Amino acid sequence: NAGVMQNPRHLVRRRGQEARLRCSPMKGHSHVYWYRQLPEEGLKFMVYLQKENIIDESGMPKERFSAEFPKEGPSILRIQQVVRGDSAAYFCASSSQTEAFFGQGTRLTVV
Amino acid sequence: QKEVEQNSGPLSVPEGAIASLNCTYSDRGSQSFFWYRQYSGKSPELIMSIYSNGDKEDGRFTAQLNKASQYVSLLIRDSQPSDSATYLCAVELGSGNTGKLIFGQGTTLQVKP
Repeated sequence: NAGVMQNPRHLVRRRGQEARLRCSPMKGHSHVYWYRQLPEEGLKFMVYLQKENIIDESGMPKERFSAEFPKEGPSILRIQQVVRGDSAAYFCASSSQTEAFFGQGTRLTVV
Repeated sequence: QKEVEQNSGPLSVPEGAIASLNCTYSDRGSQSFFWYRQYSGKSPELIMSIYSNGDKEDGRFTAQLNKASQYVSLLIRDSQPSDSATYLCAVELGSGNTGKLIFGQGTTLQVKP
């Protein structure tokens, strides 16, 4: 009964490269959320997805960031042309109704 | 005004005491409220959910909700050093299942042996 699985756990990218973060929700969960946490700061909502649909992306920067949750496979958060300010922990959460459970996160470092 | 506000602390209590953590929110239509615990360098862990006014108890934890005053609190009885962590209050905005969980900045709790 695996929980929310995120990979990779740690990701290092050079400025200008693309970062691709993956999230597999808990079994039976069809709702996926992505959050970003900067050092010493709180969790910031980025995007809420259901299978093949973006429900709310109001927290996601308009440029360079995109997210998808295809019919088959994990949810992907993609950051193009990364900059140093993108360095953060990115957490994925999933839920079936209301209670959301988090994965271990991906710690992105841009050098 | 922030959507979800918490005192960042740190809140320091001696072992065995009651720790009281508070949270206020701005959206009167919100119906779902959660407390998460986050150890340093780890992911948030759900410890309590509450949806109705009043108290909800689970072991040493009690969540309290007052929708009229727009506040949620978490009491931890018989605090242990292992409870030392950051406690995040989360509110689901809106009256339906919007899925948009907004978090407070978190309150750091230190339980001293």
